[in-house]
Amino acid sequence: NAGVTQTPKFRILKIGQSMTLQCTQDMNHNYMYWYRQDPGMGLKLIYYSVGAGITDKGEVPNGYNVSRSTTEDFPLRLELAAPSQTSVYFCASRPGGGNTIYFGEGSWLTVV
Amino acid sequence: DQQVKQNSPSLSVQEGRISILNCDYTNSMFDYFLWYKKYPAEGPTFLISISSIKDKNEDGRFTVFLNKSAKHLSLHIVPSQPGDSAVYFCAASANSGGSNYKLTFGKGTLLTVNP
Repeated sequence: NAGVTQTPKFRILKIGQSMTLQCTQDMNHNYMYWYRQDPGMGLKLIYYSVGAGITDKGEVPNGYNVSRSTTEDFPLRLELAAPSQTSVYFCASRPGGGNTIYFGEGSWLTVV
Repeated sequence: DQQVKQNSPSLSVQEGRISILNCDYTNSMFDYFLWYKKYPAEGPTFLISISSIKDKNEDGRFTVFLNKSAKHLSLHIVPSQPGDSAVYFCAASANSGGSNYKLTFGKGTLLTVNP
């Protein structure tokens, strides 16, 4: 049972480069989320989606973009990477009507 | 402004003893609370939750207590085991089950259970 799958696991990016963090879930969950976790801090919400074609900003959306063309996939795009985006990124999903959010294993991103 | 606070960055207990992790919140609209456990290099995994209509929820060795008047919740682990050593995050949400449901996290508490 795969659950929420994120790729890549680790990536080093140069300042100004762009990249996409991939996220897919096989649980047919309506809701999907992207969080980031900085050292010693809790998880902060970047973007979320309530279903295919619908996305909304979270607490820290600047510098990121998302799309949700299918129920399964919710990629996170970083344009013009900055050192402040060095973080661990977690994708998550939740079934409609449920309260438990299920997380992927994380993607470690370093911008140098 | 931190809406969910875990004021103890770390906690160390002996195997077999009780571990008590605390969490305070400021937003009175929160109506659902969860605890997640996180091992290094892994994603958070759901542990236990509680709705604001309850004051206690128990699952095996784990019990969560909610004191709404004090805006405080705690996680009790009895007995503690070395495998419980991890970072524990408290999380809260308003709009339980609704489309606008999203979690606000505390900074986490690192629990170390010594053999």
